[in-house]
Amino acid sequence: DAKTTQPTSMDCAEGRAANLPCNHSTISGNEYVYWYRQIHSQGPQYIIHGLKNNETNEMASLIITEDRKSSTLILPHATLRDTAVYYCIVRVATNFGNEKLTFGTGTRLTIIP
Amino acid sequence: DAGVIQSPRHEVTEMGQEVTLRCKPISGHNSLFWYRQTMMRGLELLIYFNNNVPIDDSGMPEDRFSAKMPNASFSTLKIQPSEPRDSAVYFCASSLGGQGGYSNQPQHFGDGTRLSIL
Repeated sequence: DAKTTQPTSMDCAEGRAANLPCNHSTISGNEYVYWYRQIHSQGPQYIIHGLKNNETNEMASLIITEDRKSSTLILPHATLRDTAVYYCIVRVATNFGNEKLTFGTGTRLTIIP
Repeated sequence: DAGVIQSPRHEVTEMGQEVTLRCKPISGHNSLFWYRQTMMRGLELLIYFNNNVPIDDSGMPEDRFSAKMPNASFSTLKIQPSEPRDSAVYFCASSLGGQGGYSNQPQHFGDGTRLSIL
């Protein structure tokens, strides 16, 4: 699976949009981009994933560049409860037998009151 | 909807004792994963099952660790004998996995078992 690069930490003011970047310059054509977050002492929480089109759900939006070498997770109106470590993971839409996720160090997002 | 359920949430035991961690995946999911998280090594996949069959156990640290999935709604991770270096948070996750075809379905995690070996 392709390697990802994320900033170590970011701050965002409460109520503003939080934009978390991720570089995945070696991504292959059949690899998806997944975003998870982990709030202290809880299990990782799935946020969103996409292949090449932008995606939106009730939690966030995912913007993937046309060349697919980078993406941005957008939390439209950040709240204090969004303070967490955010992981960007690239994984092939795999067939049977190769479904593991490889977590990097992620971005520690702090929402400032 | 019930998520992935793990028990116990916390376990403190002495070195040498047997430890059993339990996991109930989301109903209908056919892939189950065991992860371990430590400060030093982050989140690591230990083993995963598809349709109750172990697929990849290359992350299991040594023979002291074993995992079973006797049916679609239950899995255990056992450590025998336990050692202080096994102290970590152990997570179970499940997903609707591929069955010979492609699957991009996400994994959903439980809240983990915090294990301390004294």
